[in-house]
Amino acid sequence: DIQMTQSPSTLSASVGDRVTITCRASQRTSSWLAWYQQKPGKAPKLLIYKASSLESGVPSRFSGSGSGTEFTLTISSLQPDDFATYFCQHYNRYFVAFGQGTKVEVK
Amino acid sequence: QLQLQESGPGLEKPSQTLSLTCTVSGGSISSDTYYWSWIRQPAGKGLEWIGRIYTTGSTIYNPSLKSRVTISLDTSKNQFSLKLSSVTAADTAVYYCAREGTGVGGMDVWGQGTTVIVSS
Repeated sequence: DIQMTQSPSTLSASVGDRVTITCRASQRTSSWLAWYQQKPGKAPKLLIYKASSLESGVPSRFSGSGSGTEFTLTISSLQPDDFATYFCQHYNRYFVAFGQGTKVEVK
Repeated sequence: QLQLQESGPGLEKPSQTLSLTCTVSGGSISSDTYYWSWIRQPAGKGLEWIGRIYTTGSTIYNPSLKSRVTISLDTSKNQFSLKLSSVTAADTAVYYCAREGTGVGGMDVWGQGTTVIVSS
């Protein structure tokens, strides 16, 4: 089964910073990759699907890229509402796997 | 707007079977463009996919839980359910249900989550 590894586990940043989170798959995953944002006590929120497609209503400062085994989530200019934990997710018809998460905290 | 709501006991004894239901409102569970999934999250930890069901009733489970999991569909009630047998303290978690697109994918609608504690 595919395993997803995110880095870093924790990221300290300031408002206005450009932030990049990486997700690596143990096998090629094509572009079946999603990114989620989760705040304490809340359900995850879908940000990106199919590696680079922005979910409706998600601010354009969020973007996704990559294919194969390496994917990135970029926040172009970090806003106060963006301090949260981010998860990547591989999916296909037969399996779903989440990364372990990256916490974006205030520097 | 589609909404999902988990329900079920918040406390289970070890070795018993955990049973949760997800009620879908504002849309039909019989849509052929979505899977209906269960995910869990132990306190302070990451997300673990449990499994999914399609409108035909076909299921796919996480191999690590497959021997203990059953997901079923009740189209008359617009609900889908999770049963997890032989629970231990390691099954203590927040359990979420979610809608997942079959085409481009991604879990775009989630329930608020329900906490299940396994303890004697």
